[in-house]
Amino acid sequence: GESVGLHLPTLSVQEGDNSIINCAYSNSASDYFIWYKQESGKGPQFIIDIRSNMDKRQGQRVTVLLNKTVKHLSLQIAATQPGDSAVYFCAETPGNNRLAFGKGNQVVVIP
Amino acid sequence: DVKVTQSSRYLVKRTGEKVFLECVQDMDHENMFWYRQDPGLGLRLIYFSYDVKMKEKGDIPEGYSVSREKKERFSLILESASTNQTSMYLCASSSGRASDEQFFGPGTRLTVL
Repeated sequence: GESVGLHLPTLSVQEGDNSIINCAYSNSASDYFIWYKQESGKGPQFIIDIRSNMDKRQGQRVTVLLNKTVKHLSLQIAATQPGDSAVYFCAETPGNNRLAFGKGNQVVVIP
Repeated sequence: DVKVTQSSRYLVKRTGEKVFLECVQDMDHENMFWYRQDPGLGLRLIYFSYDVKMKEKGDIPEGYSVSREKKERFSLILESASTNQTSMYLCASSSGRASDEQFFGPGTRLTVL
């Protein structure tokens, strides 16, 4: 079947380098944001979240940055590994008791 | 380990058939969701439920219905399948606010011939 990664912007990164994935969100009232990772043939998996009262949050090898002024979210992955190859997408809460998902970015790690 | 399971990974049906997609979560979550995912379109919300026997339309409910008779189970029904309903269907659940972190199942890839 068709991969969810088709038609998406693609970031190719050398194994061991850092990756930065960007997301522009739409609603200035959104107060919660999540990054998800989706590997081929699997459902999306939570990576990290951040609330609007923060501008940075770190996890294991991942950091999320939030710039509310320009409505921009980024995910940084340190020392990218082959297992990081996936589609990454952000989600925001636009105030209607739902999550609104971005279309995603495909990350391809080159060994 | 928390889990959302979906009844089938792959399903092939014929146009006009009635199709049931089942989703079960073991986390005692109040909220459950059905999405479809298509290349280039991202995740689109079909229906969601924030309590047993409660349901709300998402962004693309046409051609679908849902059932939530028990807290752990949320079913998506295609009353009369059509070829434009060929897609990946993802179920998710969350607790607290419906917009908080959602846990996803592995997905059902449905093909309607």
